[in-house]
Amino acid sequence: DADVTQTPRNRITKTGKRIMLECSQTKGHDRMYWYRQDPGLGLRLIYYSFDVKDINKGEISDGYSVSRQAQAKFSLSLESAIPNQTALYFCATSDSRLAGVNEQFFGPGTRLTVL
Amino acid sequence: AQSVSQHNHHVILSEAASLELGCNYSYGGTVNLFWYVQYPGQHLQLLLKYFSGDPLVKGIKGFEAEFIKSKFSFNLRKPSVQWSDTAEYFCAVNPSGYSTLTFGKGTMLLVSP
Repeated sequence: DADVTQTPRNRITKTGKRIMLECSQTKGHDRMYWYRQDPGLGLRLIYYSFDVKDINKGEISDGYSVSRQAQAKFSLSLESAIPNQTALYFCATSDSRLAGVNEQFFGPGTRLTVL
Repeated sequence: AQSVSQHNHHVILSEAASLELGCNYSYGGTVNLFWYVQYPGQHLQLLLKYFSGDPLVKGIKGFEAEFIKSKFSFNLRKPSVQWSDTAEYFCAVNPSGYSTLTFGKGTMLLVSP
């Protein structure tokens, strides 16, 4: 969805490096999510945020941290990247005011490779 | 914890064949249900959703899904697939009162011309 953007789209880095993935949205949604996608494993939730002051761990938060700088921005950091964090990362948003509150809208993804 | 099971990891069909992708979930209460599609190299897009009412839900591109509460299932169907339906399909469940979605592992559909 063009209203949800992610930068960078592709990144290759080395083990031990700190990496930040950024997500911005113009949909005016209050809720934002970070997922990783691995072949055969589907999407797994890393962190989610229901507003600027609310951050929650998801299924696989170890090795990751997040920052909700504003309602429209939600960043994911890998403090010290390791090879098994090589994956496709998606940001998503949802609007708690809408019926079907958990319909989520996805960004284009960031392909991260950790060597 | 909730779980979502998609029965087939890979499905190969010829154009014009009928499609049914299975999805079962483990939560016993009220649920919201979704099917998302991911075309090659693209992000996830919503195909259809069920919140309440008619258990037969119609989505985009001729897809439909039927919610069968007694079977904890939400199977995706299309009467006649096209080559352009080649994609990965994800079922997702949101139990009522929970704040997040749980996704299945996905089914990769390959439609040969």
